Amino acid sequence: DQQVKQNSPSLSVQEGRISILNCDYTNSMFDYFLWYKKYPAEGPTFLISISSIKDKNEDGRFTVFLNKSAKHLSLHIVPSQPGDSAVYFCAASGETSGSRLTFGEGTQLTVNP
Amino acid sequence: DVKVTQSSRYLVKRTGEKVFLECVQDMDHENMFWYRQDPGLGLRLIYFSYDVKMKEKGDIPEGYSVSREKKERFSLILESASTNQTSMYLCASTTRPGTQHFGDGTRLSIL
Repeated sequence: DQQVKQNSPSLSVQEGRISILNCDYTNSMFDYFLWYKKYPAEGPTFLISISSIKDKNEDGRFTVFLNKSAKHLSLHIVPSQPGDSAVYFCAASGETSGSRLTFGEGTQLTVNP
Repeated sequence: DVKVTQSSRYLVKRTGEKVFLECVQDMDHENMFWYRQDPGLGLRLIYFSYDVKMKEKGDIPEGYSVSREKKERFSLILESASTNQTSMYLCASTTRPGTQHFGDGTRLSIL
């Protein structure tokens, strides 16, 4: 079963606007969540994370929001830039999974100039 | 900076061949992982290792095996390659617990 789900395979936004990428999870044991960014022909790179004791974490243009009751997290990018065009993966881990991560399917973000 | 190096960026092999994908990390990380990435399926965990000579099955281990003889090196083996193993293979490493650091991937084509 897919424990981490990104329901939007793709998202297109205009430069300067907000990009919102969504992720849902089903495993209530997950307590740490990460977003990775992947360009073609490169490995994923870590972007931002959030622990379940928080509901928001911010790093520059990137903010991750966590709604534990809804088992939902989102990544906001403001303002979006053409260089943000990439595939974004949501990932989750829990105390019982150690350092193992469960990834979502990914969302292809395209930021148009 | 953590460096995870995968031995080949592109590889073409034939069905039935035994294929070795190598991964080396330079940060003395205990944990290493092998994933495959396919469109619409995200990253799926094949095998991982918490220490030298230790290995654990991930979500899709069938048709694969691994070897971890030294802490810095984790090898993925396709025992008898098949066309459905054509994919992008990604290696990662991490401390416990911590953010996983990925190599640039090996795009493997099985003809």
